[in-house]
Amino acid sequence: DAGVIQSPRHEVTEMGQEVTLRCKPISGHDYLFWYRQTMMRGLELLIYFNNNVPIDDSGMPEDRFSAKMPNASFSTLKIQPSEPRDSAVYFCASSFNRYEQFFGPGTRLTVL
Amino acid sequence: AQSVAQPEDQVNVAEGNPLTVKCTYSVSGNPYLFWYVQYPNRGLQFLLKYITGDNLVKGSYGFEAEFNKSQTSFHLKKPSALVSDSALYFCAVSRPVTGTASKLTFGTGTRLQVTL
Repeated sequence: DAGVIQSPRHEVTEMGQEVTLRCKPISGHDYLFWYRQTMMRGLELLIYFNNNVPIDDSGMPEDRFSAKMPNASFSTLKIQPSEPRDSAVYFCASSFNRYEQFFGPGTRLTVL
Repeated sequence: AQSVAQPEDQVNVAEGNPLTVKCTYSVSGNPYLFWYVQYPNRGLQFLLKYITGDNLVKGSYGFEAEFNKSQTSFHLKKPSALVSDSALYFCAVSRPVTGTASKLTFGTGTRLQVTL
């Protein structure tokens, strides 16, 4: 299995632009998680899905952030408009049970 | 609310020596505890977990962790460190919630530096 796939690996954009991060979970995994990692706040859970349905989005910072999972093999995290404080590494993870999560390589986002 | 504390930002150890990375947790009820490792420019990788049963849990790459309920700790250990173990280590906690995923709360991470 290829593992969790994220794209792009790096994204540099200017403040105010829309950013879309993409994730393909491991086939057969029912859960998908989006995390954000920064030096200041560490690793934060933004949202997670179960069977393509958002279960908990309490970690989503504000209305500028949205996430979708149109099918079992694809999810997006969108930031519109982006701000410099959104600069971080964004991880997608998937899980087949309630315990072990498999992380993707991350997308490093820089907002200028 | 659940939380994890990793009191050491960095742990330095010589290759061949035993290592310990500390973790304490706070959660209502019985905890599920995890250790993950992150190598540079990579995502987190699962190392081991404690759900129930034996307090000493063995995981990948020779790592083990001991669950201590009275001290609310879950320290990561390895008898003999390798230079290749140098990485960022995260402790995480969750609690069992029927029918949903275990929502993990991560610690701030401890950087392990193993030198020759």
